[in-house]
Amino acid sequence: QQQVKQSPQSLIVQKGGISIINCAYENTAFDYFPWYQQFPGKGPALLIAIRPDVSEKKEGRFTISFNKSAKQFSLHIMDSQPGDSATYFCAASKGINYGGSQGNLIFGKGTKLSVKP
Amino acid sequence: DARVTQTPRHKVTEMGQEVTMRCQPILGHNTVFWYRQTMMQGLELLAYFRNRAPLDDSGMPKDRFSAEMPDATLATLKIQPSEPRDSAVYFCASGFRSLRGHQPYNSPLHFGNGTRLTVT
Repeated sequence: QQQVKQSPQSLIVQKGGISIINCAYENTAFDYFPWYQQFPGKGPALLIAIRPDVSEKKEGRFTISFNKSAKQFSLHIMDSQPGDSATYFCAASKGINYGGSQGNLIFGKGTKLSVKP
Repeated sequence: DARVTQTPRHKVTEMGQEVTMRCQPILGHNTVFWYRQTMMQGLELLAYFRNRAPLDDSGMPKDRFSAEMPDATLATLKIQPSEPRDSAVYFCASGFRSLRGHQPYNSPLHFGNGTRLTVT
């Protein structure tokens, strides 16, 4: 049973465009939703995260939109740049979280983003 | 710049051999995770420790995998005997959990750059 479903599997965007990656979760006990960015040969790195008490969080060109009733959240990358080309993972975890993950992060299967110049 | 260090970066071995992967968490972090990444399954949690004690290893095949933390600066993941289906990238991640007043605080996870294991 896949607890966090991510789409699309791959995405090609022109430079300057908006990249949108979607995730859906099943467990209503999840209370921490991070996005990780991974470059080839590197480990995932935390990009941005949100808790379910807010509907949107923005950090620079990156925005998370969160819909608690639909159990969905998405990552928007505005003004996408070739340097944003990477694999993006959404994740979720449950428990009491203040600023991070208590324990078991459940990851989506990833979206490979290519930003064309 | 503090980082999680994993060794070796690459390992090629024959089926049946023992494989040991090592991880040095960020100094001061008290929680260590082992994840496995494959194309088919994505990132899967194998095990995690807090203050060197194992909290959850339910994602790990018990018959061949073992994870330990001999001390606060070293975590190990061992496979014996290794099989071709174990070929994957193994990531270690560390974080910090503490209490602020009566509320727990958990830092974000920091991942190492992984060990790419190939079992032939």
